[in-house]
Amino acid sequence: KAGVTQTPRYLIKTRGQQVTLSCSPISGHRSVSWYQQTPGQGLQFLFEYFSETQRNKGNFPGRFSGRQFSNSRSEMNVSTLELGDSALYLCASNNLGGGNTEAFFGQGTRLTVV
Amino acid sequence: KNEVEQSPQNLTAQEGEFITINCSYSVGISALHWLQQHPGGGIVSLFMLSSGKKKHGRLIATINIQEKHSSLHITASHPRDSAVYICAVGGGSNYKLTFGKGTLLTVNP
Repeated sequence: KAGVTQTPRYLIKTRGQQVTLSCSPISGHRSVSWYQQTPGQGLQFLFEYFSETQRNKGNFPGRFSGRQFSNSRSEMNVSTLELGDSALYLCASNNLGGGNTEAFFGQGTRLTVV
Repeated sequence: KNEVEQSPQNLTAQEGEFITINCSYSVGISALHWLQQHPGGGIVSLFMLSSGKKKHGRLIATINIQEKHSSLHITASHPRDSAVYICAVGGGSNYKLTFGKGTLLTVNP
């Protein structure tokens, strides 16, 4: 069974640009959650999608958005990039959509904003 | 005060030693997760606990719900165990996890 796939693995963008990251969950998993990891703040929850609906959102500005498609693949978008958005972005999927189930993480997308 | 506190922040051990990493949390949770992150970024879920104790090979995780405390133990540590270990807690029916800052474990041969 293929794991969680995130693309691209590495990305360099310029301030002010926008970026779209993709996450393909394990087949059959309907929940996808996104996290940002920075050296200063550690891992922080961005948002979670289940069956194409955003169920919860972390404390991030509106520049961060996401969506989920009918095949459970998810994308997150960051508009008007700032230097502070440089981070490792991780997604995780699970098969029951609840916090009491094991999460399977992707390898992450490392975004550098210059 | 962070909602999830891990200790120690850094840990260096010799191969074969018994390792303990601690996690305390201040919020109500439905589950606690132990995660492992190697250089390069990928995260692996080691355990998901809501009570008691779980064991996978040389790894053991325990949780005390009343004391809001969990421990991750590694028996007979090996250099390949070197990684960052992260405690995360979640509540309710969604996957909004709150993370500790992580423990950097280095096991020397």
